[in-house]
Amino acid sequence: DAGITQSPRHKVTETGTPVTLRCHQTENHRYMYWYRQDPGHGLRLIHYSYGVKDTDKGEVSDGYSVSRSKTEDFLLTLESATSSQTSVYFCAISDSGQAKNIQYFGAGTRLSVL
Amino acid sequence: AQKITQTQPGMFVQEKEAVTLDCTYDTSDPSYGLFWYKQPSSGEMIFLIYQGSYDQQNATEGRYSLNFQKARKSANLVISASQLGDSAMYFCAMRSGTASKLTFGTGTRLQVTL
Repeated sequence: DAGITQSPRHKVTETGTPVTLRCHQTENHRYMYWYRQDPGHGLRLIHYSYGVKDTDKGEVSDGYSVSRSKTEDFLLTLESATSSQTSVYFCAISDSGQAKNIQYFGAGTRLSVL
Repeated sequence: AQKITQTQPGMFVQEKEAVTLDCTYDTSDPSYGLFWYKQPSSGEMIFLIYQGSYDQQNATEGRYSLNFQKARKSANLVISASQLGDSAMYFCAMRSGTASKLTFGTGTRLQVTL
């Protein structure tokens, strides 16, 4: 199993509060991703990183920011959480040096915004 | 834009039978990769199989095979000899061109019965 740890695994918060989710990897992979999973939508990309301090937006990036100060850590921040951000959040990693570029996922974080 | 379509919200199959999960895709890029992931009720995303657009043969991984029909833009997952542990959500995903991010379908829930 790929060494990916997401924390926290579950979080309940109130509308308007800031929230930070952490993804930690031990594989030294260059690429890291944040997805959200909602019923009827599959997984949708929020942001991704292709190196330390190198990030880019995905298809549902509004209301989210990310940071990557070390290869192993990728943080997702909800600056002011809203109920529409209630979701399951997955972190994934990949090594772009591989032609297949398979993404391996963490166990997910279930976030509820009340 | 890339798009993945999974038209079967749910499927049933009897234990030891084979089952095909449908996936069609749309991309204008000649270079792409197709992936299948399994999500059991515990929530994690498990990589199953990969097919590259230039691969001449259909991919196989144990009981999983990918029926790749390029002209029809389909990449169906075939599970042979279904087991109770195969009950899960299955997601088809695509990486297109030089992009590293994945576009996911909405998934198919497979239920294996006795």
